[in-house]
Amino acid sequence: QQQVKQSPQSLIVQKGGISIINCAYENTAFDYFPWYQQFPGKGPALLIAIRPDVSEKKEGRFTISFNKSAKQFSLHIMDSQPGDSATYFCAASASSGGYNKLIFGAGTRLAVHP
Amino acid sequence: EAGVAQSPRYKIIEKRQSVAFWCNPISGHATLYWYQQILGQGPKLLIQFQNNGVVDDSQLPKDRFSAERLKGVDSTLKIQPAKLEDSAVYLCASSLDMPGFYGYTFGSGTRLTVV
Repeated sequence: QQQVKQSPQSLIVQKGGISIINCAYENTAFDYFPWYQQFPGKGPALLIAIRPDVSEKKEGRFTISFNKSAKQFSLHIMDSQPGDSATYFCAASASSGGYNKLIFGAGTRLAVHP
Repeated sequence: EAGVAQSPRYKIIEKRQSVAFWCNPISGHATLYWYQQILGQGPKLLIQFQNNGVVDDSQLPKDRFSAERLKGVDSTLKIQPAKLEDSAVYLCASSLDMPGFYGYTFGSGTRLTVV
């Protein structure tokens, strides 16, 4: 119940295309859903995050879509660029108890070809 | 603001040896986390500190791993003795101690290779 399942494992997109990564969870206590971007040799960096009281959040070319009833959320990268090539992790946490432990998905390796 | 500092960046040891990693979180961040990231997998929480107290170490292999956070600031993670399966990147992260959640800041990690 603590798992966050992420798909696909890897994704190849042409420059200018849309990249879509999906995640699903079981624990209904989760109330914070961030996406992290990780480049080789670096730690994950927060990209965008959403709470379950909204169904969509957009920041520049990055959009999170959230479906509370299906317990799914996804990351859309519009107009994908070669500089977006990285590994993306979805995550979830529950603020109950006040400890905010992040549970990560397995990651998606995105390659954007010129 | 300065980021989360970790050292060393890389470490190669033989199995059964011991190793220690160091983390300096962002100033003012009360919560500190150690994560293990095995190649091709997402980070997995090993231990979480609130100031200098442990609030979650349920996934820490306590027979070989130990961690401490002195004076609620810097932290060290130790492995003794190391096994081949401990080869991974060890990530330290910190966050503000506030209601709600404002995201972690991760360090660049220490890549451990056990041979």
